[in-house]
Amino acid sequence: AQTVTQSQPEMSVQEAETVTLSCTYDTSESDYYLFWYKQPPSRQMILVIRQEAYKQQNATENRFSVNFQKAAKSFSLKISDSQLGDAAMYFCAYRDVLGGTSYGKLTFGQGTILTVHP
Amino acid sequence: EAGVAQSPRYKIIEKRQSVAFWCNPISGHATLYWYQQILGQGPKLLIQFQNNGVVDDSQLPKDRFSAERLKGVDSTLKIQPAKLEDSAVYLCASSARDRGWHEQYFGPGTRLTVT
Repeated sequence: AQTVTQSQPEMSVQEAETVTLSCTYDTSESDYYLFWYKQPPSRQMILVIRQEAYKQQNATENRFSVNFQKAAKSFSLKISDSQLGDAAMYFCAYRDVLGGTSYGKLTFGQGTILTVHP
Repeated sequence: EAGVAQSPRYKIIEKRQSVAFWCNPISGHATLYWYQQILGQGPKLLIQFQNNGVVDDSQLPKDRFSAERLKGVDSTLKIQPAKLEDSAVYLCASSARDRGWHEQYFGPGTRLTVT
């Protein structure tokens, strides 16, 4: 079974600075997807960024970027120019390529609480 | 476009009572998921539907949990009887193929407290 591990229960950053959240995963599959989700206190889970395992290029979305190391099974999230609105619980998640489709279940890590200080 | 709707938002029951949660996915989304999120943990899939058929229910405690998705649209998740360890947020998500991709959209969740 696939597992996802986030070893940082809490992280903090000063506004406008950069922070990196860590994630490792375990799988025997060669093709899969990885995600970072954000869950603010309101509980609505929002997709931040995704990475297809077959792509060597790291995904970026504005201030968010990932460092995907497939051999090391590592998938970290870098948030640049941190804003107060970035404060939330961040989850790393894994999804199999199910039967050639992309609608398989998500397996989540335990989450990292990010605090942004003004 | 309306998002995933869930009700109720909060529910408090005593152990051994029954409870039901309702989810209305985004219009046109064929895939529907129920996740259980215990406080301080990541969500865990309970059941996944494709239209009104079950794709994965391997982690659903079938002795007390049941779910249905009639007509491939709305879904109901039921717990009967509830245990203290069922206290959690129950998240519903839906997805559909869009430009070759299924992104899961989550609802606001239902927070269940079992006393």
